[in-house]
Amino acid sequence: GAVVSQHPSWVICKSGTSVKIECRSLDFQATTMFWYRQFPKQSLMLMATSNEGSKATYEQGVEKDKFLINHASLTLSTLTVTSAHPEDSSFYICSARGDLAKNIQYFGAGTRLSVL
Amino acid sequence: GESVGLHLPTLSVQEGDNSIINCAYSNSASDYFIWYKQESGKGPQFIIDIRSNMDKRQGQRVTVLLNKTVKHLSLQIAATQPGDSAVYFCAETNQAGTALIFGKGTTLSVSS
Repeated sequence: GAVVSQHPSWVICKSGTSVKIECRSLDFQATTMFWYRQFPKQSLMLMATSNEGSKATYEQGVEKDKFLINHASLTLSTLTVTSAHPEDSSFYICSARGDLAKNIQYFGAGTRLSVL
Repeated sequence: GESVGLHLPTLSVQEGDNSIINCAYSNSASDYFIWYKQESGKGPQFIIDIRSNMDKRQGQRVTVLLNKTVKHLSLQIAATQPGDSAVYFCAETNQAGTALIFGKGTTLSVSS
């Protein structure tokens, strides 16, 4: 149980385009989902917290208009990187917390974004 | 501010040895801690958690110890195997209890 699927695992895009990343909880309902960004050999930095049916809460310094988060159902959250630039290249990871264990977050496999 | 850190960025052990990975945290009000394992190119995998009302918790081959007096957390891995090679992160819930704050990570390398 507690499987979180993230898609795509790897994406290359041209500068100025938008990229959507999906995060799904496959076997539980995720009341809260989280989006992290991770640079090589560094820790995970929380970008935003999203609760189903409400607007996401962004961490300080994260641009809301650049990183659009939607959590329309209890099993799906999406992160859209709008007008991507090379500096947005990174490893993006989602996690989900639901009814299995309130404080444990289960992570997706991550998405490697490369912006040319 | 809130921060979680680790004492050593790397740890190298021989297969079969016991490994101890340490973590120091700064928020004395933290009441919940988690250890995650992250293999290269993958998302973090839950290992074990502990609440602040406990000093020790054991899982399969892993033990987490919490010393609230010195704000120190450790993960012990018994009979370390090559498959244990990964980056290990400790994390604590933020003050609001709404999210996790991750430490910097320790890279564990296990040689045969």
